[in-house]
Amino acid sequence: ETGVTQTPRHLVMGMTNKKSLKCEQHLGHNAMYWYKQSAKKPLELMFVYSLEERVENNSVPSRFSPECPNSSHLFLHLHTLQPEDSALYLCASSQLDGSYTDTQYFGPGTRLTVL
Amino acid sequence: KQEVTQIPAALSVPEGENLVLNCSFTDSAIYNLQWFRQDPGKGLTSLLLIQSSQREQTSGRLNASLDKSSGRSTLYIAASQPGDSATYLCAVTGGGGSNYKLTFGKGTLLTVNP
Repeated sequence: ETGVTQTPRHLVMGMTNKKSLKCEQHLGHNAMYWYKQSAKKPLELMFVYSLEERVENNSVPSRFSPECPNSSHLFLHLHTLQPEDSALYLCASSQLDGSYTDTQYFGPGTRLTVL
Repeated sequence: KQEVTQIPAALSVPEGENLVLNCSFTDSAIYNLQWFRQDPGKGLTSLLLIQSSQREQTSGRLNASLDKSSGRSTLYIAASQPGDSATYLCAVTGGGGSNYKLTFGKGTLLTVNP
């Protein structure tokens, strides 16, 4: 266990559905991240929140909407997704303190299938 | 734009063999380099982190080296075991200004046969 939990672990949804992914970190970190891992592609950073403020939006389509209500929780709201959005969505957290030894701690991921 | 390449994409070895995984990156202005392990259906676990000023890091049977000027890193696994079977990912921080943005390679799928 890394101290980062994600729910649900598996999700199947139609293109017209609305669903949300949840991430919670129990490490007292001040930054949280969403990544997308597609087959045969490197992990892609989607969003970064530092102290609950979004600091990075990596050209992600608006059908993905992140929310960070506090430093321990991160959501990814999904609506009108496409089949190519099927992937493993990973959440991570880290303590950003200006050093270069920060490591990110990853959750187990949510396997999303869009029909 | 930073790009990370890992070779080979897959590797199968008998138990007990020593092996080397390779990683290269295009922009040498990195803050650090990390090696992660990913088991099927699970998230990533950080194995080793090498700061840009360091040449290598060791943890148990694992040794990671960094040659920043040439844009290369290797992960050496000694006396491999079936439990080492997993995907190994290389990632660098920096090369774009931020100290938190990780750029990943596609990974090397390692299988250690008993």
